[in-house]
Amino acid sequence: GAVVSQHPSWVICKSGTSVKIECRSLDFQATTMFWYRQFPKQSLMLMATSNEGSKATYEQGVEKDKFLINHASLTLSTLTVTSAHPEDSSFYICSARAGGRISTDTQYFGPGTRLTVL
Amino acid sequence: GESVGLHLPTLSVQEGDNSIINCAYSNSASDYFIWYKQESGKGPQFIIDIRSNMDKRQGQRVTVLLNKTVKHLSLQIAATQPGDSAVYFCAERFTGNQFYFGTGTSLTVIP
Repeated sequence: GAVVSQHPSWVICKSGTSVKIECRSLDFQATTMFWYRQFPKQSLMLMATSNEGSKATYEQGVEKDKFLINHASLTLSTLTVTSAHPEDSSFYICSARAGGRISTDTQYFGPGTRLTVL
Repeated sequence: GESVGLHLPTLSVQEGDNSIINCAYSNSASDYFIWYKQESGKGPQFIIDIRSNMDKRQGQRVTVLLNKTVKHLSLQIAATQPGDSAVYFCAERFTGNQFYFGTGTSLTVIP
């Protein structure tokens, strides 16, 4: 149990385009999902916390108009990188906080999405 | 955010030896900690967790030790195997449901 998927796993796009990344909890309901960004050989940096049905809470320094987050259902959150530029190239990882019979403390991570902006 | 790493510390161990990976966390109010394993190009995988009211917790081949006095967490892997080669992160929770990750340590197991 507690499987999280992401789609796509890798995306290459031209500078100026927008890219949407999906995060799904496959076998549990996730009231809260988190989006992280990770540069090569570095740690994960929390970008935002996404609660189902409400606006996301962004970490300091993260542009909310640049990184649009939508958490429309208990199993799906999306991150849209708007007008992507090469400096946005990174590994984007989502996680979901399980609820119900599964421990509500642990976050389960998706496999990540590699974004390359040319 | 907290604890952004500029480069990863590395640890090399012989297959069969025990590994100890250390982590210094940042906030004394953190109440819950998790160790994650991350293989190249993949998302983090849960290994073991510990609450702040405990100082030790054991899993299968892994043990986590928590020293709140010095804000230090360690992960011990017994009889390290080549499949244990990965980057290991500790994560602390101190603001609601948000976790902040440590720098990470790259473990290489030498056959």
